Amino acid sequence: GIQVEQSPPDLILQEGANSTLRCNFSDSVNNLQWFHQNPWGQLINLFYIPSGTKQNGRLSATTVATERYSLLYISSSQTTDSGVYFCAVIPGSEKLVFGKGTKLTVNP
Amino acid sequence: GAVVSQHPSWVICKSGTSVKIECRSLDFQATTMFWYRQFPKQSLMLMATSNEGSKATYEQGVEKDKFLINHASLTLSTLTVTSAHPEDSSFYICSARERNTIYFGEGSWLTVV
Repeated sequence: GIQVEQSPPDLILQEGANSTLRCNFSDSVNNLQWFHQNPWGQLINLFYIPSGTKQNGRLSATTVATERYSLLYISSSQTTDSGVYFCAVIPGSEKLVFGKGTKLTVNP
Repeated sequence: GAVVSQHPSWVICKSGTSVKIECRSLDFQATTMFWYRQFPKQSLMLMATSNEGSKATYEQGVEKDKFLINHASLTLSTLTVTSAHPEDSSFYICSARERNTIYFGEGSWLTVV
């Protein structure tokens, strides 16, 4: 099956710093989404981005489908950005395949 | 925007008992819902795909008789953990798809004592 790899696995930042999270996938996909899981477990949908670039406030994402990777950019990070960021893809069926996530800690 | 609600958020049950978790799509109809399990510090593991009006499709290694899934309407799917044991303690979360976007419920923390 498709492999989804995220890097880095852990990231520690000072408040105000910028960061880039990466998601590589091993096959073509119909759907790619980025999620943020907060410390209470809730998963928040950040972007639906099978290709191209999108921005939402301090967050933006870019997917280069032909090269099978996606990037999530976080600018001017805040402590509330802490949590785990997951990349998930749908290769062709209905099933969402998750990466292992990047755990982000933003220190004040 | 679309909302998926899950209930209960927290549940503690005794070994040997059964517990039911509900997943509702609040403002859209979902013919398909998904149930995941997440162990501490790990990613989400798909357990089964819940199909409205038909049997659920379980992933390999997931016990059908232990994790009963019912999708009786277009807005409700339930997961029942039967004869629960401490090793079933985990975070369970459901999702539903509206068009191209997948939305997750709040998740349910199950502790079996």
